[in-house]
Amino acid sequence: EAGVAQSPRYKIIEKRQSVAFWCNPISGHATLYWYQQILGQGPKLLIQFQNNGVVDDSQLPKDRFSAERLKGVDSTLKIQPAKLEDSAVYLCASSQFSGGNTDTQYFGPGTRLTVL
Amino acid sequence: AQSVTQLDSHVSVSEGTPVLLRCNYSSSYSPSLFWYVQHPNKGLQLLLKYTSAATLVKGINGFEAEFKKSETSFHLTKPSAHMSDAAEYFCVVSDPFNTDKLIFGTGTRLQVFP
Repeated sequence: EAGVAQSPRYKIIEKRQSVAFWCNPISGHATLYWYQQILGQGPKLLIQFQNNGVVDDSQLPKDRFSAERLKGVDSTLKIQPAKLEDSAVYLCASSQFSGGNTDTQYFGPGTRLTVL
Repeated sequence: AQSVTQLDSHVSVSEGTPVLLRCNYSSSYSPSLFWYVQHPNKGLQLLLKYTSAATLVKGINGFEAEFKKSETSFHLTKPSAHMSDAAEYFCVVSDPFNTDKLIFGTGTRLQVFP
């Protein structure tokens, strides 16, 4: 079974530029998550989709970050404009929806963003 | 609010000796607790999870953790470390209002010396 795919793996941009990350979840997984992992910290949930609807985006800085999951499969996360503090690894994860206890999340390898 | 505190940022052990990674949690509700491992340049992987069944939880690769409500702890142990265990380990609690929302600790880096 193929895992969660993310691209690009690395990205370097200047501050105030825009950037987009792409995620392809495991086939059949209804729930998709984007996390931000700053160096030396644990991942922090930015946004959670179930199919193509948003479940939780309470920690997404909506003035500069946006995410979409068209057709309930692939997802993109965009930052516009980027700030220095956005330098981090952006992780995508997916899980099946069981409607019961916490479903196991499967993580992709991440995209390492450096903002100069 | 739910949170976890990982008491050690770095742990070093010799191969073949026991591993202990400490985690305390704070939760107003009966928590669901997890341990994830992150190897360099690889995705996070679930080691084990506690969801109010047995208090001693067995995971993959010989790891286990014990939920102790009286001590609000969920420490991760392994009887004998292997070189391949060197990685970053995260203790995680789920949000009781959105059980799929994971709240991560700051991580413990495990080094294993030959």
